[in-house]
Amino acid sequence: TQLLEQSPQFLSIQEGENLTVYCNSSSVFSSLQWYRQEPGEGPVLLVTVVTGGEVKKLKRLTFQFGDARKDSSLHITAAQPGDTGLYLCAGAYNTDKLIFGTGTRLQVFP
Amino acid sequence: NAGVMQNPRHLVRRRGQEARLRCSPMKGHSHVYWYRQLPEEGLKFMVYLQKENIIDESGMPKERFSAEFPKEGPSILRIQQVVRGDSAAYFCASSLTGGSASGNTIYFGEGSWLTVV
Repeated sequence: TQLLEQSPQFLSIQEGENLTVYCNSSSVFSSLQWYRQEPGEGPVLLVTVVTGGEVKKLKRLTFQFGDARKDSSLHITAAQPGDTGLYLCAGAYNTDKLIFGTGTRLQVFP
Repeated sequence: NAGVMQNPRHLVRRRGQEARLRCSPMKGHSHVYWYRQLPEEGLKFMVYLQKENIIDESGMPKERFSAEFPKEGPSILRIQQVVRGDSAAYFCASSLTGGSASGNTIYFGEGSWLTVV
């Protein structure tokens, strides 16, 4: 069974702090996506990474794909209350379906 | 906005009734996926369809659940004789080309929340 473990599961921080969310697996991903989901809504795609070692930046968000394509991280600089939400990583393992991680629930307080 | 459209957004059914959830993929997308999110759990893959074909249904419960994506019209996820355990958010997603393995981007709809009473 392919599993994607995310850590931490919950994170409460003050506005302006930095944070990193991790996504780990014992299997190699073909590709990996990061999503953000707000209550009552569907996941919204943030980024897709495909190449081992790849780094992508989206404003204050930095996504890194591990060299071995087994892990990924999401780093947020100077978090803002608008960053509050559920962050999900999802990996593909040479199949057509995405395996979703357990999720990291982020709360940023003003 | 040509995003993935799902309806109804909220559906209440009594135990034993049927639930039909509809999904119109993004314009030009012919690949559709259904995922289920149980309360306080992550999203779980159910089924992957192309027009008129089921490609992968490895995540579908063996009984009561079926999915189709006809040549014309939306994809339908059908749940017969619903039980309380079917209460969940059902998300449809679509992609331009097949599968996520090669990095194809999959876009999700806003979901259909089924409550079984």
